[in-house]
Amino acid sequence: GQSLEQPSEVTAVEGAIVQINCTYQTSGFYGLSWYQQHDGGAPTFLSYNGLDGLEETGRFSSFLSRSDSYGYLLLQELQMKDSASYFCAFPSGYALNFGKGTSLLVTP
Amino acid sequence: ETGVTQSPTHLIKTRGQQVTLRCSSQSGHNTVSWYQQALGQGPQFIFQYYREEENGRGNFPPRFSGLQFPNYSSELNVNALELDDSALYLCASSSRVGTYEQYFGPGTRLTVT
Repeated sequence: GQSLEQPSEVTAVEGAIVQINCTYQTSGFYGLSWYQQHDGGAPTFLSYNGLDGLEETGRFSSFLSRSDSYGYLLLQELQMKDSASYFCAFPSGYALNFGKGTSLLVTP
Repeated sequence: ETGVTQSPTHLIKTRGQQVTLRCSSQSGHNTVSWYQQALGQGPQFIFQYYREEENGRGNFPPRFSGLQFPNYSSELNVNALELDDSALYLCASSSRVGTYEQYFGPGTRLTVT
């Protein structure tokens, strides 16, 4: 079957660095996406890893290791506005398969 | 560039009723997907429309149906509503089929009582 596992909650302090892990199980894997969703808001695309390694976009970086079926999202210089849910997802046919999400709380 | 819009924002229906949700895709996007997001869960794929045809469906029963119009806008229809249909319904548009990058609307919060 297909599945993605993420921690349900993570708490970090403003200005710190936090890593959100994602492990997946699927056949025909093409890459891993990350989305951010604030409470009551729309999921917004953050990054995509089609190949192994690190992709950097500003304060956010994402990493993929296909051999370990593992990826992570790294958020640096945390800001209060980064408090949100973060989802890893992979394309499967016509769909995006999402994990259950990690709720990140940034505290002062 | 206009983003994805959805209507209505909130809706309350009674079990057994029917509902229609609407979505306007981002300009230039010809593919629309619908997702159901239960509280505390990730979005679950319902189906996708491309060139006015359904070209992929998730694990949802036939009482979930949809349409796509020539201007790429879309509707999601749910018949015989059940309590478990209470969720946030998200529409996402993209410029091609099967892409990892989709643009989501703010969703319609459906409550079934």
